[in-house]
Amino acid sequence: GAGVSQTPSNKVTEKGKYVELRCDPISGHTALYWYRQSLGQGPEFLIYFQGTGAADDSGLPNDRFFAVRPEGSVSTLKIQRTERGDSAVYLCASSLTSGDEQFFGPGTRLTVL
Amino acid sequence: AQSVTQLGSHVSVSEGALVLLRCNYSSSVPPYLFWYVQYPNQGLQLLLKYTSAATLVKGINGFEAEFKKSETSFHLTKPSAHMSDAAEYFCAVSESRYSGGGADGLTFGKGTHLIIQP
Repeated sequence: GAGVSQTPSNKVTEKGKYVELRCDPISGHTALYWYRQSLGQGPEFLIYFQGTGAADDSGLPNDRFFAVRPEGSVSTLKIQRTERGDSAVYLCASSLTSGDEQFFGPGTRLTVL
Repeated sequence: AQSVTQLGSHVSVSEGALVLLRCNYSSSVPPYLFWYVQYPNQGLQLLLKYTSAATLVKGINGFEAEFKKSETSFHLTKPSAHMSDAAEYFCAVSESRYSGGGADGLTFGKGTHLIIQP
């Protein structure tokens, strides 16, 4: 079956612009996670959804970052007033429910010029 | 707070030799521990996980890891390296917060790049 998909695969934007990154989890998975992976680093947890609600958003670096999952399936990570330091690969993962194996998507590579 | 330390950003072994990738963790509660592999231009794939059952965990592709509480370690091993094992390997920890043993966001180490010499 289909895995986790993320769009776009690459996004280049200018400093100060707004971007949206999309994640389509595996069908039926209730838990969804966002991570950020900078060059040479391991993934860093950003936010976790159980259903439609954000169960843990402690990893969001500041209020420029926001994520939604309005219908409990697709999620969008939104970044306002992008900065060069936001450049990274943004990973999405889903699991059947909290505590189950997380399946990762291929990521979106964000470059802020 | 939980954290993970992976010793060695790069490890090089000969094909057929033992693979040993080191991971030490810190956690304030009994942890869940994971090893993920990332091949070039691909997503992270779970190799194996420890969730408080058997301390020796067997995973895919011949890999295994042993949870040692006294050493706070979860090292990954494979008896005989294959060229196809060349990849980036990440150790991760999650604190089991829920009575049902659920785990939330993972804390990853910085990764170890495994190089296989022919």
